[in-house]
Amino acid sequence: QVQLQESGPGLVKPSGTLSLTCAVSGGSISSSNWWSWVRQPPGQGLEWIGEVYHSGTTNYNPSLKSRVTMSVDKSKNHFSLKVNSVTAADTAVYYCAAVIFEGLDCWGQGILVTVSS
Amino acid sequence: QSVLTQPPSVSGAPGQRVTISCTGSDSNIGVGADVHWYQQVPGAAPKLLIADNNIRPSGVPDRFSGSRSGISASLAIAGLQAEDEADYFCQSYENTFWVFGGGTKLTVL
Repeated sequence: QVQLQESGPGLVKPSGTLSLTCAVSGGSISSSNWWSWVRQPPGQGLEWIGEVYHSGTTNYNPSLKSRVTMSVDKSKNHFSLKVNSVTAADTAVYYCAAVIFEGLDCWGQGILVTVSS
Repeated sequence: QSVLTQPPSVSGAPGQRVTISCTGSDSNIGVGADVHWYQQVPGAAPKLLIADNNIRPSGVPDRFSGSRSGISASLAIAGLQAEDEADYFCQSYENTFWVFGGGTKLTVL
């Protein structure tokens, strides 16, 4: 079955850019699935960041849209997230997730990203 | 403040039945958007518990059930077990984006 694994720096400086990658295994990034990013600040709830289709079509959370970019790399079978102009409020566990059948039924293990100087 | 409203906490004794509500609006649940439910135990990623209002993915016990009516949805857990202690989140769809509830912490007494 499809498995997801996040990777990237665990520490980002304020005003910098957060960059994460989600590797897809057990399936193709080009399949008919939407690939999502969700984050969870420490001790808080879930926030959907956005989603990307293998064609490059994206949908973003309006509250983050001005700072977020998502993309797909078919050659590497992974998708990526960039959040620019980060602040301490962007400190969170970032999950990649996917709709394989219904709902977000496939999740990565998550990666903690801390924004600090 | 979350778009979908859930009670911060619920509790129940082993064997009891509890329900968790999720209230949205005419912009999401009220226009027929499907509701999904997730269970998250501490330190782990969320796990899909109920899809499309009332569908249990393979492997989810039938003690868990979901429903939707009007602008609200509910998750019911029957025959509470200690392992059910976790955070539960509802999720729906609004315009072109997903929205989550704030989460409900279930304590098994």
